[in-house]
Amino acid sequence: AQSVAQPEDQVNVAEGNPLTVKCTYSVSGNPYLFWYVQYPNRGLQFLLKYITGDNLVKGSYGFEAEFNKSQTSFHLKKPSALVSDSALYFCAVRDIENNAGNMLTFGGGTRLMVKP
Amino acid sequence: SQTIHQWPATLVQPVGSPLSLECTVEGTSNPNLYWYRQAAGRGLQLLFYSVGIGQISSEVPQNLSASRPQDRQFILSSKKLLLSDSGFYLCAWSVVRNSRGGPYEQYFGPGTRLTVT
Repeated sequence: AQSVAQPEDQVNVAEGNPLTVKCTYSVSGNPYLFWYVQYPNRGLQFLLKYITGDNLVKGSYGFEAEFNKSQTSFHLKKPSALVSDSALYFCAVRDIENNAGNMLTFGGGTRLMVKP
Repeated sequence: SQTIHQWPATLVQPVGSPLSLECTVEGTSNPNLYWYRQAAGRGLQLLFYSVGIGQISSEVPQNLSASRPQDRQFILSSKKLLLSDSGFYLCAWSVVRNSRGGPYEQYFGPGTRLTVT
């Protein structure tokens, strides 16, 4: 079975500094990986995905993520954090064993706090 | 473009009362549909998913049930609510795979905050 780990419950960063939110995964085959962001009392918003191709994936709001197969990681990054980036971030991996349902397995989430 | 709606946005219900939450999707046909619960602003728990009308799969034994009476309508129900049913309920949809196998991401609705008192 596949799994996703987000080892940090919270990440604190100063505005203008680079940010990284970590994600590691475990799947039996090729991973399909996703990042979502959730603002308070809102649904999850899709940020970016890795399916195949270039290991560096660019997404919405200036975010990018780097797929590293040897380290089984898919860390979310942004060169310069904004206060408005403060939110809850989820990493997810696609369920390979249940393709018909297009199931995703989500990590536990990481709260990003960007301070002015 | 596609949109997903959930209602109500917030709900306060007493223990033992029934529940009905509704989710509808516009701008697509034959989507996969999902119900998640999020407790304490953290991780997501998949409750049900559906790949077509009348086809419901339950992921976790619950005091809840789901139905899909129409292609783009997904309903979450309970006959008698428990305190432990409180949480933030999220509906999501995804496109059924195309000839290339994708896309694969899910798109989420705005959620319903349920408080059972």
